[in-house]
Amino acid sequence: EVQLVESGGGVVQPGGSLRLSCAASGFTFYSYGMGWVRQAPGKGLEWVSVISSSGTVTYYGDSVKGRFTISRDSSKDTLSLQMNSLRTGDTAVYYCARVGQRGGTRFDFWGQGTLVTVSS
Amino acid sequence: EIVMTQSPATLAVSPGERATLSCRASQSIGTNLAWYQQKPGQAPSLLIFDAVTRATGIPARFSGSGSGTEFTLTISSLQSADFAVYYCQQYNNWPLTFGGGTKVEI
Repeated sequence: EVQLVESGGGVVQPGGSLRLSCAASGFTFYSYGMGWVRQAPGKGLEWVSVISSSGTVTYYGDSVKGRFTISRDSSKDTLSLQMNSLRTGDTAVYYCARVGQRGGTRFDFWGQGTLVTVSS
Repeated sequence: EIVMTQSPATLAVSPGERATLSCRASQSIGTNLAWYQQKPGQAPSLLIFDAVTRATGIPARFSGSGSGTEFTLTISSLQSADFAVYYCQQYNNWPLTFGGGTKVEI
């Protein structure tokens, strides 16, 4: 059974940093691209970042480019998101998601999410 | 950036009825479109990808159609478990973009 479990969320002041992690199990982690999608309270979904299966290619949404860094450790089956220079607008539930194979970048499995609150 | 527009924002339907949800892309995306379902307090789950292909385990009452800029998700006979918010997502171009969602309610 595919499982994605996020951790690392919490309350942080504007300008601060936070590192999210996603522990993957139940599938061959190094064979899949992975990504992060966020959802502000009461709002819709916003794509944040994607990393290729090899970890060599990364993509970012414009709102986080230059502030967030996605990475993966295939020896530990873990996906990470380093978030720096956090803003109040980054407040959201952050979901870790697996990219489906054989096709484009859609997300076929999602974790339950971790809440990040940026507030003074 | 490709803008995805979903309509209506809210759809009131009775159990057993047919629901038709629309998603429009601001430029052609071929069939590079996915649909997700999100129930309250839960993560989204993939329903449809490549505009028409049901994800594993998705019942046949869910169907997707369309190409280019106009797409439709049809739920043929709504069941109580189907009342949720539905999002479309394009993956033809970076950045990936989602529609604003359609809430299907009683």
